[in-house]
Amino acid sequence: IQLTQSPSLLSASVGDRVTLSCKGSQNINNYLAWYQQKLGEAPKLLIYNTNSLQTGIPSRFSGSGSGTDYTLTISSLQPEDVATYFCYQYNNGWTFGGGTKLELK
Amino acid sequence: QIQLVQSGPELKKPGESVKISCKASGYTFTDYAMHWVKQAPGKGLKWMGWINTYTGKPTYADDFKGRFVFSLEASASTANLQISNLKNEDTATYFCARPNYYVMDAWGQGASVTVSS
Repeated sequence: IQLTQSPSLLSASVGDRVTLSCKGSQNINNYLAWYQQKLGEAPKLLIYNTNSLQTGIPSRFSGSGSGTDYTLTISSLQPEDVATYFCYQYNNGWTFGGGTKLELK
Repeated sequence: QIQLVQSGPELKKPGESVKISCKASGYTFTDYAMHWVKQAPGKGLKWMGWINTYTGKPTYADDFKGRFVFSLEASASTANLQISNLKNEDTATYFCARPNYYVMDAWGQGASVTVSS
C-alpha cells in the first residue's frame, strides 16, 4: 500500500487549526497511525488506529478518516508543533507516507 | 521505563560492512518484535523489516533483501542490523522500533551511518 501525504509543506500561524492529509492506494481499514518527528529526533507516536490518542499526547491532536482517506488535525497550533508529520499504515505490511513539514508562518 | 539505546555513529568506506546494535530495557525483550526503519538525510521514513525476537525469524522489505541482516543477542536484550558491501546510498540514520499491536510506540535514538570514500 502506498501512502501519499499532502501538502508536503504547510505554513501556519500559532493558534491556527491545521489539517494534514494522508491517502492510501488501497483501503487501510483504519489501521493508520501518525508520527511527529522533530529535527534530529526519533519519531514520536501521536495517533494510532485512526483516532486513538497515544498516552501523553496533547488533546489538540486528533485523527479521523476511513477507507483510503485519513486526516490529522491540530486544533490550535503551538510553536512546539513545528515538525514533520508522517502517516503510517499497518493494514497490509507496513508503509510510511512521505511526510508533511509543518512550519510557522 | 521502556528504552531502546542504539550504538554510535559509524563512518565507513564503500564495500565495507557495519553492525548497528539496539539494546532494549524496561520490558521483556522476547515479548515484542523489533522493527528497523531507514531515514536518508533530509528524506522520509522507510520500513526495512522486522525480526521475531522469540524465534529469531527475520522478515525483510523488498528493498532490503540481500545485503541486510537482522539478528539477536536475546540474552543481552539486543537486536542488531548488519549491512554488508556498503554503498553510498546506505548513508542514513537507522532506527530500531518496538511495535505494540503493530504500531511502533518506542524508538531508539537512531544510529547514523555515513558511507564515503
